[in-house]
Amino acid sequence: DAKTTQPNSMESNEEEPVHLPCNHSTISGTDYIHWYRQLPSQGPEYVIHGLTSNVNNRMASLAIAEDRKSSTLILHRATLRDAAVYYCILRGGGTSYGKLTFGQGTILTVHP
Amino acid sequence: EAGVVQSPRYKIIEKKQPVAFWCNPISGHNTLYWYLQNLGQGPELLIRYENEEAVDDSQLPKDRFSAERLKGVDSTLKIQPAELGDSAVYLCASSYTGADTEAFFGQGTRLTVV
Repeated sequence: DAKTTQPNSMESNEEEPVHLPCNHSTISGTDYIHWYRQLPSQGPEYVIHGLTSNVNNRMASLAIAEDRKSSTLILHRATLRDAAVYYCILRGGGTSYGKLTFGQGTILTVHP
Repeated sequence: EAGVVQSPRYKIIEKKQPVAFWCNPISGHNTLYWYLQNLGQGPELLIRYENEEAVDDSQLPKDRFSAERLKGVDSTLKIQPAELGDSAVYLCASSYTGADTEAFFGQGTRLTVV
C-alpha cells in the first residue's frame, strides 16, 4: 500500500486558517487522496477527497501538488470544534481497490 | 438516514468469554469494513467485505476472530475467547464500491476485557 507521512501534531488559533500537510511520494496514478478526521470518542468522519485537481467543499479545501506527491488540507477558519486527529489516506487503485488504510494522523489543537 | 449503526456501544467481559459486535451499514453500500482502534492509534483494518465476500481479511486473527456478512447487508464480528489485549474500540464503516467514494463510520463499540 502506498503510504502517507503527516506531522504528529499542529496547533492553530481560533478563526485562523490551518494548513495540514501530507506527503505521499509513492502515490500511484489511480490513487485518490482522502482526508478523514476523528473527534474525541467518535468514529472517523469524511472531510474531502480528490484525484488531481484542487477540491472545495463546505468543510475544507484540498490542494494537490502538480506531481501529486503531496497535498494540503486547508481549514479556512479554524474553530474549537475542528480540534481532532486528521488522517490523510490514499485510496486506490490496483490490488488495493477500495482499501482505506489509516496512519497515525495529525493531532490538531485549536486555541481560543 | 440513520448512518452506520453499531451495537453495543460498550461491552465489558471477562477474559476467555466470547463477545459479538453487530453493524448495520448504510443502505445500498456494497463495501463494509471492520477496524480495531487502540488508544492513541489510528484505526487498523481487520476485514473488508464487498457484498457478502471477504476480500481482505489478512489482518484478522483467525484463531479467535471471525466475521460474517450474511446477504451482504448486516455484519457481525465475533471474538472467542477474548483476551486482555483485545480491549479496544471496534469500528464499522461502509461505502459504495470504489476509490472515489466516501466511507461512513459508526460510533464504535468500546470493548473492555477484564
